[in-house]
Amino acid sequence: KNEVEQSPQNLTAQEGEFITINCSYSVGISALHWLQQHPGGGIVSLFMLSSGKKKHGRLIATINIQEKHSSLHITASHPRDSAVYICAVTKGGGSEKLVFGKGTKLTVNP
Amino acid sequence: GAGVSQSPRYKVAKRGQDVALRCDPISGHVSLFWYQQALGQGPEFLTYFQNEAQLDKSGLPSDRFFAERPEGSVSTLKIQRTQQEDSAVYLCASSRSQNNEQFFGPGTRLTVL
Repeated sequence: KNEVEQSPQNLTAQEGEFITINCSYSVGISALHWLQQHPGGGIVSLFMLSSGKKKHGRLIATINIQEKHSSLHITASHPRDSAVYICAVTKGGGSEKLVFGKGTKLTVNP
Repeated sequence: GAGVSQSPRYKVAKRGQDVALRCDPISGHVSLFWYQQALGQGPEFLTYFQNEAQLDKSGLPSDRFFAERPEGSVSTLKIQRTQQEDSAVYLCASSRSQNNEQFFGPGTRLTVL
């Protein structure tokens, strides 16, 4: 079983819809990261969080440490939000490396 | 520079050839990471440097893979005697210091024929 699991694997939405992507992890962490990857493009860090909630524009990330679960929400989705969204964790204990989920491919249709 | 840069962006190698992939991190960033991303998969950790010290190389898949960062800035990932299973995108990331956000380069897409 992977240490970081994401759902759904694929998600198709209509422009304007509210979107939720989920991430569960099975290890102790020092931080959780949400990343965005466009086709053929590099990876952009969206959020790094260790507790509570963060908001940036139409994006909101939450984390529940007790339940080992995080969600990424996109409000008023737009076709330019189409990308792969990746959840990753830093396990801590002196290790800075990221352990990644397999990603959620989001397609937002106009 | 504005961000992390990698070169070449694309590399095609014949099986058995040696390749060298370069990463220029953001100036002043202490930590540097190499990740491997196979098609349709999430990235996987290869190795990590703090300045010039390679602190973790547990993700390197075989002794054909070697990474260095001799002056604590630019890093090179070398793959000897490439195999078809080495085909992937190789991502480099850097961060200012411990437990900080990682900034990713555009990746090098390696295809081994």
